[in-house]
Amino acid sequence: IAGITQAPTSQILAAGRRMTLRCTQDMRHNAMYWYRQDLGLGLRLIHYSNTAGTTGKGEVPDGYSVSRANTDDFPLTLASAVPSQTSVYFCASSDSSHNEQFFGPGTRLTVL
Amino acid sequence: GQNIDQPTEMTATEGAIVQINCTYQTSGFNGLFWYQQHAGEAPTFLSYNVLDGLEEKGRFSSFLSRSKGYSYLLLKELQMKDSASYLCAVKDSNYQLIWGAGTKLIIKP
Repeated sequence: IAGITQAPTSQILAAGRRMTLRCTQDMRHNAMYWYRQDLGLGLRLIHYSNTAGTTGKGEVPDGYSVSRANTDDFPLTLASAVPSQTSVYFCASSDSSHNEQFFGPGTRLTVL
Repeated sequence: GQNIDQPTEMTATEGAIVQINCTYQTSGFNGLFWYQQHAGEAPTFLSYNVLDGLEEKGRFSSFLSRSKGYSYLLLKELQMKDSASYLCAVKDSNYQLIWGAGTKLIIKP
């Protein structure tokens, strides 16, 4: 692994289904983030984690949950997907909340 | 509320210079970032300004005026590969990034 990876690359999901988007980084960064990117809008923060064992809510957390059991992994779960969650999801990490963020390649999610 | 404004789209000619502006109103300020995002790809870091003035990095420069809530990204000697979206983001008082919607830059030969 080099940098930050996300899986799956893309997914089509039926409404009401549960889905977990995976994110793994090998840079030993303390801080990790989940964003969604929708056409015409800026990246919007869903959840973040400043260090392993802690998480926080961003601008648009409803319908999403995260966990941070260790430094490397930061999965995002949609408990019951809805069409408005159709988006491109980016995971990012930084060595601290003060510095630049490095982004994963993204997951394109379609909820029907 | 918090707001980041940048033009939706700009067009420029290969070899020319283009300036992309960004104005912001945020709760606190802990730095301003510019990222580049090619279509279908992830954003990549370009520059960071926390003090007023110009930061130069090769063909790219970024300027900040905190009193005016204003920044610009200057791209010189434009190349076709510079066709991308350019995202302005401000780190607020909670050290979270607030993002603009991005400026799509189209480079014509």
